[in-house]
Amino acid sequence: EVQLVETGGGLVQPGKSLKLTCATSGFTFSNAWMHWVRQSPEKQLEWVAQIKAKSNNYATYYAESVKGRFTISRDDSKSSVYLQMNSLKEEDTAIYYCTRYYGDYWGQGVMVTVSS
Amino acid sequence: DVVLTQTPSILSATIGQSVSISCRSSQSLLDSDGNTYLYWFLQRPGQSPQRLIYLVSNLGSGVPNRFSGSGSGTDFTLKISGVEAEDLGVYYCMQATHAWTFGGGTKLELK
Repeated sequence: EVQLVETGGGLVQPGKSLKLTCATSGFTFSNAWMHWVRQSPEKQLEWVAQIKAKSNNYATYYAESVKGRFTISRDDSKSSVYLQMNSLKEEDTAIYYCTRYYGDYWGQGVMVTVSS
Repeated sequence: DVVLTQTPSILSATIGQSVSISCRSSQSLLDSDGNTYLYWFLQRPGQSPQRLIYLVSNLGSGVPNRFSGSGSGTDFTLKISGVEAEDLGVYYCMQATHAWTFGGGTKLELK
């Protein structure tokens, strides 16, 4: 059974950092292209970042809204993907989901609240 | 960025009624590889999005065949032939031809 479990969310002040983890199981993680997608309090879905597989040189891509502040990475030995979020802004407040390939499986999501 | 416009934003239906949701793209979603990367998702209250349709018209694993997708280029449609109670929630289209973007959502509710 394919599973994706996000952890690491919470309340953080503007300008601070947070690192999200998505632990996966039930599929060959090393071959998978992984994504982070967030959902704002207004329920709008926004793609955040993608990381491809080793065969694609672990290429990464980012939404303009997070470029230069967020970093996606992966550890194939742990079947996990990460999102390092720096210089957080109030508009980064959202539920963050990890998903694979073209969204066939999603995690349950983790809440990130940026507020002073 | 590619903008996806979904209509209607709210859809009221009775059980058994057939309904359609439109998703219009600001650019053609036909990729140079010949695929059209248009997807449909359902998000039930309190749950993560669930993929229903991939590549315009292909039914996802375990998805009932009352769901169908159609369209090409910039205009796409999701049809539900006979709404059931478990279909209530918010439907999103998503394109992955030009990075990923999502439509604004269509809330399906009971009339």
